[in-house]
Amino acid sequence: GQQLNQSPQSMFIQEGEDVSMNCTSSSIFNTWLWYKQDPGEGPVLLIALYKAGELTSNGRLTAQFGITRKDSFLNISASIPSDVGIYFCAGPNTGNQFYFGTGTSLTVIP
Amino acid sequence: NAGVMQNPRHLVRRRGQEARLRCSPMKGHSHVYWYRQLPEEGLKFMVYLQKENIIDESGMPKERFSAEFPKEGPSILRIQQVVRGDSAAYFCASSRDSPGQGTQPQHFGDGTRLSIL
Repeated sequence: GQQLNQSPQSMFIQEGEDVSMNCTSSSIFNTWLWYKQDPGEGPVLLIALYKAGELTSNGRLTAQFGITRKDSFLNISASIPSDVGIYFCAGPNTGNQFYFGTGTSLTVIP
Repeated sequence: NAGVMQNPRHLVRRRGQEARLRCSPMKGHSHVYWYRQLPEEGLKFMVYLQKENIIDESGMPKERFSAEFPKEGPSILRIQQVVRGDSAAYFCASSRDSPGQGTQPQHFGDGTRLSIL
């Protein structure tokens, strides 16, 4: 089945540092979504990307839809403690399913 | 709050009992998805429903699990004769459009944490 691989699997950074994570797919996606999940909560949508090459920002978050349509990147600038959580990429195939990445766990050290 | 509503938030069952998990989608959304998440793992697709129809249940075990999304009322994920391995967080999501259209993303509820004693 479809697989979305995220890297890195986990990150430990100092408050104020920038963060980069990426997601790759074995096939083409027409939409890329980035979610954040806090412990005990459901995933919350951060950014949605709909066009190859698209670069979209949401506050300190910036995400890009790769030109090949097989990858996407999420950057967080000037991290703060509340950025802690698990970040998932996701995308729909041309059928009926959304696929989710394996997740990147982010820890921000004050 | 017009978000996806799931209840109960926590559910405890003994082995062999039935578990019923409910999900009310966001207003205006007619597509519902159920996912299962084990601790420290990602979300695994189970089933996709549109009003009164199961569109894709390829991720749902063939036995003991069933899902419905009636014309009126919430979507229900039903697990019969629960076993310890069913313990997990079950998340529901909804979207306005189907996944293939890709114009509207999924929005998630806060999940039901099922514990089997």
